[in-house]
Amino acid sequence: ELKVEQNPLFLSMQEGKNYTIYCNYSTTSDRLYWYRQDPGKSLESLFVLLSNGAVKQEGRLMASLDTKARLSTLHITAAVHDLSATYFCAVGYGGSQGNLIFGKGTKLSVKP
Amino acid sequence: DVKVTQSSRYLVKRTGEKVFLECVQDMDHENMFWYRQDPGLGLRLIYFSYDVKMKEKGDIPEGYSVSREKKERFSLILESASTNQTSMYLCASGAGATTEAFFGQGTRLTVV
Repeated sequence: ELKVEQNPLFLSMQEGKNYTIYCNYSTTSDRLYWYRQDPGKSLESLFVLLSNGAVKQEGRLMASLDTKARLSTLHITAAVHDLSATYFCAVGYGGSQGNLIFGKGTKLSVKP
Repeated sequence: DVKVTQSSRYLVKRTGEKVFLECVQDMDHENMFWYRQDPGLGLRLIYFSYDVKMKEKGDIPEGYSVSREKKERFSLILESASTNQTSMYLCASGAGATTEAFFGQGTRLTVV
């Protein structure tokens, strides 16, 4: 059974600081997704990572995938208040898009 | 822009009622999903459909059924609503295993 663990689950950081969210998973996969959710809103896709060593960047967020270590990271550079949200990683397995397991999410709060 | 529309944002139903949650997507996606989201548990897959009239059980299908008579529409049915089905329900659609899923705005269901 595929398990996906994110840490930390809660993260309070100051504006301007850097931090990394980790997503570990228990079985082989080459598909990993990062989503953002604002309070009371739905999930918004951030990144799709499909191969070992994949790295994608959008603004102050950078995501990477190490399939051998079964680890993805979401790095936040010089955080700003607008990044406050809950971030989810989701891991795919098998050939079906339906085989997608979500982590519990990391609630990020960026304070001035 | 991909649009996934859920029929209700908020719904209050009584225990024992039959409840229908409707979801429509406008991108001709093959795959559609129903998740429920609960605090501390992340997102859990209820059912997944990869084609019209085709469905697969997710992690927590008990107490739910689904219907997909047309490609663009995926319905979640609570046969006899119970208080432990009070939750946020999220519908999503996707084109395939190498792309992200797009989420609707969610339906917050309260069963009293």
